[in-house]
Amino acid sequence: DAKTTQPNSMESNEEEPVHLPCNHSTISGTDYIHWYRQLPSQGPEYVIHGLTSNVNNRMASLAIAEDRKSSTLILHRATLRDAAVYYCILKTSYDKVIFGPGTSLSVIP
Amino acid sequence: IAGITQAPTSQILAAGRRMTLRCTQDMRHNAMYWYRQDLGLGLRLIHYSNTAGTTGKGEVPDGYSVSRANTDDFPLTLASAVPSQTSVYFCASSLAGGNGELFFGEGSRLTVL
Repeated sequence: DAKTTQPNSMESNEEEPVHLPCNHSTISGTDYIHWYRQLPSQGPEYVIHGLTSNVNNRMASLAIAEDRKSSTLILHRATLRDAAVYYCILKTSYDKVIFGPGTSLSVIP
Repeated sequence: IAGITQAPTSQILAAGRRMTLRCTQDMRHNAMYWYRQDLGLGLRLIHYSNTAGTTGKGEVPDGYSVSRANTDDFPLTLASAVPSQTSVYFCASSLAGGNGELFFGEGSRLTVL
């Protein structure tokens, strides 16, 4: 099963950029890199995903290393509402999706 | 509103009782998943289904069973509940393949006494 590793926790000051790292050294060629976040007492929600190229959407940017063994989720200006657990996962063509413990992001006012 | 619905939202259950958690989606997604999340921890995959008629075991399948009779429904059954199955259960769905975004339900909080 595909595995990812992330720091347990990170802190950011409000209105500053946040770079959340993820390592996935066992990634295969057809695995997509997905990011989800879970706010307190809610189900996880989709943030962004990509295969090889960097991706941008209204919520965040995803930077994927050239060898695809790591990626970084970038929140351009952290707000208090961005305080959540962020999960980096690999989604495979055979659809067995494993979550790790994620990174708990704290945003300091 | 299109999406994924779980029921019940919350349930207290005596140990040894049978319980079925329901999950329905109207997005015509091929793949569906059941996760459990214990307090303060991440999500663990219980069972999943790539398409109607097929299911697979996840990380923690023991004590749980699933069925996928059609595209929309993916019930999770605890045949004889035990206190260690106290958890929040999340159902999710997606289009098949790596490019499909996961959509999650609101969760079902189950307490087994």
